[in-house]
Amino acid sequence: ENVLTQSPGTLSLSPGERATLSCRASQSVGKNYVAWYQQKPGQAPRLLIYDASSRATGVPDRFSGSGSGTEFTLTISRLEPEDFAVYYCQQCATSPRTFGQGTKVEVK
Amino acid sequence: EVQLLESGGGLVQPGGSLRLSCAASGLSFSTSGMSWVRQAPGKGLEWVSGITSDGGTTYYADSVKGRFTISRDNSKNTLYLQMNSLRAEDTALYYCTRDQGWESADWGQGTQVTVSS
Repeated sequence: ENVLTQSPGTLSLSPGERATLSCRASQSVGKNYVAWYQQKPGQAPRLLIYDASSRATGVPDRFSGSGSGTEFTLTISRLEPEDFAVYYCQQCATSPRTFGQGTKVEVK
Repeated sequence: EVQLLESGGGLVQPGGSLRLSCAASGLSFSTSGMSWVRQAPGKGLEWVSGITSDGGTTYYADSVKGRFTISRDNSKNTLYLQMNSLRAEDTALYYCTRDQGWESADWGQGTQVTVSS
């Protein structure tokens, strides 16, 4: 299976700062089928990005995704208070559709 | 608005069985791929199983292959997960999701499964 490794495990930032989250795959992800999700405490995850760089419906444009092959990035250009959460990447190209272990973005 | 309502979770002994259901509304269920994703307490997300819109193809994580069976009834807009030979490590919140392409675009609120003696 394609193992995804997210870094860092925790990102401590202040509102207004830029967040850069990394997701590295053990094998190349075909067609860049990588998705990013946001999860807040007590809530179900929410799809943010699919196909590595396409924003899901209703997702603010401060969220952007990039990357190809085995290296993918989620960038939040300016953190809003509601963006502090856990973020997961997922590869959807092959079964099983594995998730990374998550990156927690916390208030510094 | 898409609504996915899971049910069927509960407390079961190791080796036991449960069948989860997911009632879908607000979407074209018969043209939507569906998946189950779980989250153990305090842990990350784990994709469990997926099924194509017509039910013709199913996919499983290695951790559940041979023990879990995904299925659907398009006439009832309902997704199922039959879970047999349950283990303590299957304890988790189980989410039903609607696939958009291959990613999970819509999520239910989950149903809790606890495997314990």
